[in-house]
Amino acid sequence: GAGVSQSPRYKVAKRGQDVALRCDPISGHVSLFWYQQALGQGPEFLTYFQNEAQLDKSGLPSDRFFAERPEGSVSTLKIQRTQQEDSAVYLCASSPLSNEQFFGPGTRLTVL
Amino acid sequence: QKEVEQNSGPLSVPEGAIASLNCTYSDRGSQSFFWYRQYSGKSPELIMFIYSNGDKEDGRFTAQLNKASQYVSLLIRDSQPSDSATYLCAVKDRDDKIIFGKGTRLHILP
Repeated sequence: GAGVSQSPRYKVAKRGQDVALRCDPISGHVSLFWYQQALGQGPEFLTYFQNEAQLDKSGLPSDRFFAERPEGSVSTLKIQRTQQEDSAVYLCASSPLSNEQFFGPGTRLTVL
Repeated sequence: QKEVEQNSGPLSVPEGAIASLNCTYSDRGSQSFFWYRQYSGKSPELIMFIYSNGDKEDGRFTAQLNKASQYVSLLIRDSQPSDSATYLCAVKDRDDKIIFGKGTRLHILP
């Protein structure tokens, strides 16, 4: 079956622009996670949903970051007024009610 | 602050030898431990997970967990050039959050 998909795969934004990153999890997966991965670093946790409920958003670096999953399936990570330090790969992962996470291909965001 | 520590490498291992990757974690309440492989420009893929002290084997891979020492390792037997990648250690803490290490770059020498 289809894996986790993310769009766009690449995004270039001017500083101050708003961006929206989309994640389509594996069908039926209850849990959805967003991570930020800077070059040469491991993925850093941003936020976590179980169905439509956002259970943990402690990793969001500032109030410019916002995530939603209104119908418990597709999720969107929105970054307002992008800054250069937001440049990274944004990874989405989904999971059934188990420990194994399946990652999407990521969105590479470059803020100029 | 909860941490997962790995040597960044690169770790160079001759083809056919055993590669040994190590990881320590700070949260003693952690319950689940994972090893992911990440090729350059790709997303992480799960190789192994382990919950209990001791060893868990899957093909050429063995995960080892020592909760008393807060130490997890991954052994890769009969290393192949295709094993060259970054290996990420991840720990699920008591709050169910998964924390990743920075990864160890492994290079298998043909």
